[in-house]
Amino acid sequence: GENVEQHPSTLSVQEGDSAVIKCTYSDSASNYFPWYKQELGKGPQLIIDIRSNVGEKKDQRIAVTLNKTAKHFSLHITETQPEDSAVYFCAAFEGGTSYGKLTFGQGTILTVHP
Amino acid sequence: NAGVMQNPRHLVRRRGQEARLRCSPMKGHSHVYWYRQLPEEGLKFMVYLQKENIIDESGMPKERFSAEFPKEGPSILRIQQVVRGDSAAYFCASSPPGRWGNQPQHFGDGTRLSIL
Repeated sequence: GENVEQHPSTLSVQEGDSAVIKCTYSDSASNYFPWYKQELGKGPQLIIDIRSNVGEKKDQRIAVTLNKTAKHFSLHITETQPEDSAVYFCAAFEGGTSYGKLTFGQGTILTVHP
Repeated sequence: NAGVMQNPRHLVRRRGQEARLRCSPMKGHSHVYWYRQLPEEGLKFMVYLQKENIIDESGMPKERFSAEFPKEGPSILRIQQVVRGDSAAYFCASSPPGRWGNQPQHFGDGTRLSIL
């Protein structure tokens, strides 16, 4: 099955700085990689996703890059704000299935200091 | 548009009791997934269902756990004879039908299950 490793486990930045979270996956057949933001007491919220036929995707201050050869993908948040503070999870669809069985990373606690 | 609705938000049970967790998917979504999150860990896949069918239950313990998604009504995750180790947050996600299944999954706010 798929295995997803996520780093770092905690990340502390000053408001306005950039934050980068990295994930690696093991199954070369995986083809879809979503990122979720989870606030305290809430469910994961999809913030951006990328498919394996694309190398980069941007949505305002958030971008995701994918390197299929190296089997890793990264989340980039620019101009961070205190409200970006949350736990971020990367995930990968298990390849070889026709449905969306997600394998999650362990999560990154992002703290943005004002 | 209502999102994925889960209830109850919090559930307390004593060891040996039964827990029933409910999930109503987003309108138009026919795929339902259940995940479990232990404290300070990522989410772990449990089961994937379509209406009246369990497609993949490979992540669900073989005993005491069951899931259903009837033709009418919400999806139900049922845990019989609960034990302390069942304490966790249980999340439901739904996605629309898609040819390859890799459609975005949207999550509810979960049920926090506590076992006394």
